Amino acid sequence: QQQVKQSPQSLIVQKGGISIINCAYENTAFDYFPWYQQFPGKGPALLIAIRPDVSEKKEGRFTISFNKSAKQFSLHIMDSQPGDSATYFCAATFPRSGNTPLVFGKGTRLSVIA
Amino acid sequence: GAVVSQHPSRVICKSGTSVKIECRSLDFQATTMFWYRQFPKQSLMLMATSNEGSKATYEQGVEKDKFLINHASLTLSTLTVTSAHPEDSSFYICSARAPKGGSRTDTQYFGPGTRLTVL
Repeated sequence: QQQVKQSPQSLIVQKGGISIINCAYENTAFDYFPWYQQFPGKGPALLIAIRPDVSEKKEGRFTISFNKSAKQFSLHIMDSQPGDSATYFCAATFPRSGNTPLVFGKGTRLSVIA
Repeated sequence: GAVVSQHPSRVICKSGTSVKIECRSLDFQATTMFWYRQFPKQSLMLMATSNEGSKATYEQGVEKDKFLINHASLTLSTLTVTSAHPEDSSFYICSARAPKGGSRTDTQYFGPGTRLTVL
């Protein structure tokens, strides 16, 4: 059973455009939702994270929108650049309940073309 | 952000040999580290949770005698792939959770990964 569903699987965006990646979760006990960026041959790097007590969090060009009632959250990349081309993973966990691991989505391969 | 290192970054070995991968948290103490395996163009698959001073907790389907995990200190966890076979070839990634109470509570930081190729 996949607890975090991520879409789309791949995404092509023009330079300067907005990239949007969506995730839906099932476990209402999740209380921490990070997004990771991974370049080929590298480990994932934390991009931005949100807790369910806020509906939006913005850091630079990256914004997480969170809809608790719908159990959905999304990553928006504004002014997308070729350097943003990577695989993005959403994740969820409930760390305050103990040493629980991240549950990852299947990833979205983003290509930003000039 | 916090730094997690892995060593080696790439290893090629013969079938039947054992390979040890080290994961270190460089600027924080991690009571819990996680080991993942990633196949090309796929998501990360959790293998085990490593707790300092206690036995690792393995995910279903992961052979604990095959993948030996030792969390010897608050900054070091090791994964040993014993009697490696070609099907063990993969990208192995560790992560460490920042300790509770600090500004980075709950954040999980990943190492750069180790590419294992078994011939």
